[in-house]
Amino acid sequence: AQSVTQLDSHVSVSEGTPVLLRCNYSSSYSPSLFWYVQHPNKGLQLLLKYTSAATLVKGINGFEAEFKKSETSFHLTKPSAHMSDAAEYFCVVSGGSYIPTFGRGTSLIVHP
Amino acid sequence: DAGVTQSPTHLIKTRGQQVTLRCSPKSGHDTVSWYQQALGQGPQFIFQYYEEEERQRGNFPDRFSGHQFPNYSSELNVNALLLGDSALYLCASSQDRGLLWGTEAFFGQGTRLTVV
Repeated sequence: AQSVTQLDSHVSVSEGTPVLLRCNYSSSYSPSLFWYVQHPNKGLQLLLKYTSAATLVKGINGFEAEFKKSETSFHLTKPSAHMSDAAEYFCVVSGGSYIPTFGRGTSLIVHP
Repeated sequence: DAGVTQSPTHLIKTRGQQVTLRCSPKSGHDTVSWYQQALGQGPQFIFQYYEEEERQRGNFPDRFSGHQFPNYSSELNVNALLLGDSALYLCASSQDRGLLWGTEAFFGQGTRLTVV
């Protein structure tokens, strides 16, 4: 069994400030973890993925995430937000032939 | 490469009707998965097709069925539509079973289904 919880439904930041989107998961096996981004009227785009290699994962557009097994977390960060980062972000846990489970999403709002 | 393409982009149906949604996978991909994304929610896995067979299914009733063709394209059929079936339906393609086995899936832009 597996589940994923995105701890914030909305996160609001100013352009140029750091971004933190939080994700906790539970899994009965070694999971694969993903972050996807969804811009309005667009499909989901992969930002980054963790698949049991390095615990610090770098993705596209300056995003990165750290897998912390002891805390069952996979938080997404970016040092400096851009206006173009405003979108919906989804954390996903999968693997072991269990069906992929998406979080409910975090809406990132970026103020000028 | 056109990526994952879905048709139509928008659809309005009446309760009780049937609907068919279509998906063409990214070139080189052999696996297609379908997801339902209700407003304000994350996508929910409906089922996955690989080698023209349904390989895995989420918690959806039998009113939801699908098909995969020899060219790997896929259809999602929903019978006896309910108001609650209104959602964005996403198709994802991948190699080697994709997210089920922890590898990347590529998503289309989705079909927005409204049931009235």
